[in-house]
Amino acid sequence: EPEVTQTPSHQVTQMGQEVILRCVPISNHLYFYWYRQILGQKVEFLVSFYNNEISEKSEIFDDQFSVERPDGSNFTLKIRSTKLEDSAMYFCASSEGPGNQETQYFGPGTRLLVL
Amino acid sequence: KNEVEQSPQNLTAQEGEFITINCSYSVGISALHWLQQHPGGGIVSLFMLSSGKKKHGRLIATINIQEKHSSLHITASHPRDSAVYICAVRTDGIIQGAQKLVFGQGTRLTINP
Repeated sequence: EPEVTQTPSHQVTQMGQEVILRCVPISNHLYFYWYRQILGQKVEFLVSFYNNEISEKSEIFDDQFSVERPDGSNFTLKIRSTKLEDSAMYFCASSEGPGNQETQYFGPGTRLLVL
Repeated sequence: KNEVEQSPQNLTAQEGEFITINCSYSVGISALHWLQQHPGGGIVSLFMLSSGKKKHGRLIATINIQEKHSSLHITASHPRDSAVYICAVRTDGIIQGAQKLVFGQGTRLTINP
């Protein structure tokens, strides 16, 4: 069964460093999402992406964050200058159709620790 | 006030018991999702519904749009059902396309043998 994959599974970085989290959505999906979950807290929406542009972003998704679909398969989340509070599990998700019609499929997550 | 509230926050039951987890929301939605998060963190989508009822194996999800309420039921619960169950809603939006989910805080379910 097709699945969303994410790399790396874990990343440790120093505060102020740039990180790139990578996701490979399911191949025929057109809608892509990033979420994060700080330890012990609920999952939060970061950004949605469709037709090569951001559809919606949350207040968390400030100028330090960016997303890109550099080729036909990868979907990346970049954090330019990491802060301690960026430590969280980051989930990528994709769906075949618009959000109110199709199930979102989640990747296994990347656990980011900022020291 | 949270847009999505779940109850209970924690639930412990014996194997075989019938389980109900509730979700209430305060915003207009176009769809509601029930998700399962395993101890390792991975998230699996269980149901997406916008009206009525859906059933998959021992899991049943219902939604009442007028009352802004959904329930997830597990029949004949088993220790392998132990996980965090999350309700998430897709809010109404004018723009068609990738729309965000707003998540509840989750219900931690433990089924003891």
